[in-house]
Order: sequence, then C-alpha cells, then structure tokens
Amino acid sequence: GAGVSQTPSNKVTEKGKYVELRCDPISGHTALYWYRQSLGQGPEFLIYFQGTGAADDSGLPNDRFFAVRPEGSVSTLKIQRTERGDSAVYLCASSLSYEQYFGPGTRLTVT
Amino acid sequence: GIQVEQSPPDLILQEGANSTLRCNFSDSVNNLQWFHQNPWGQLINLFYIPSGTKQNGRLSATTVATERYSLLYISSSQTTDSGVYFCAGGSQGNLIFGKGTKLSVKP
Repeated sequence: GAGVSQTPSNKVTEKGKYVELRCDPISGHTALYWYRQSLGQGPEFLIYFQGTGAADDSGLPNDRFFAVRPEGSVSTLKIQRTERGDSAVYLCASSLSYEQYFGPGTRLTVT
Repeated sequence: GIQVEQSPPDLILQEGANSTLRCNFSDSVNNLQWFHQNPWGQLINLFYIPSGTKQNGRLSATTVATERYSLLYISSSQTTDSGVYFCAGGSQGNLIFGKGTKLSVKP
C-alpha cells in the first residue's frame, strides 16, 4: 500500500504563529513516531504513539509542542508561538513491529 | 542517554569499491536500525538488526550486541548508494540517531 505521507511538504510561518503538521501512517501500523532533523544532523526523537496514546513524549522540547492521534491513525503535531529555532524538517514514521518507515517530511521555516 | 557514534563521517568511493561503516553505542540497545537518507531527503529503512548478521543484496549488516557496535557493509558500490547512512538505537520506539556517514560514490 501507500507509504507514510506528510502534509504540508513545506510550511513558512512568522515567529509567534501557530502551526499544525499532519502525518498519515501506513495503513494498519499501530505505532507512529515524530522526529525533527536540523541541517547536517541525524533525526531527533520527539514523541511516539502506540495506538491513540503517547507511549513516550520525552523528546518534546517544551510545552509549546503537542501531538495527538485521536483515532489511532492520523497524527497532528502542533507547535504554538513558533520560534526561529523551531525551523527544521519534521519527520514522521510508522511501524507495525520494530522497523520504522519514514515519510518525506515537512520543512518548517520560521521567519 | 544513549550516545551513538558513527565513523567515518565522510567517505568518497569509486564506483565498484567496497566499504564498511561503523556505529558504536555507549550503552546496550535492543532496537538497532540502519537507514539510508537519499540526496532528496527520504529516509529508507535498510535493516533492523539488534544482533547477528543480515544480508540484503549488496548490503549486509552485523551487530555485536555484547560489544555495543554494528557494522554496515556495502559491496560493489553504485552511484545510487550516495547519501547519508544513519544508525539508530534505543530500548523501545524512541530511536537515538548518530550524525551519519556521508557517502559519495563517483562514476
């Protein structure tokens, strides 16, 4: 079936604005993960869901970041009061077992 | 937290050459994966390999869990192998990634 999809592919926003990033996992995958990647670095873990619940949110940098997965499928990462330091590629992955399959990412630029 | 160290940071190969990439972990992990990030940014899962050896075509990987390292072998490299190779490990779903090995394969 289709792979992991993420929308939008690019998002430019002004400092202080609110943004939502969406992830559609592979159909049937129970686990969903959010990472962010800065230029020249490896992905940095943010949060992962097992079903509808957040199994581990230890990577969220502060309380401006929040993620939901209300029906155990699609997930939304929400960032309030964006800062220039939030600029990065936000990656989503899903898995049925251990192997994680990544989407193409959303490039977020905060001006 | 777990530290992941990859070497070498950069590698330039002539097409057809073989290479070995290494990943060291500061602590034991029971979830270890290798990924390839192509020049367009897409991350592709290569192996889930917490221990032992696996092979997939020209790629193979070996993890020695007791010594906390993993190796990725690329044989008969092709230009399409170019990109960044990441290893990542953790105890459950929260993978910690290394900084990657940037591979350039020249025709």
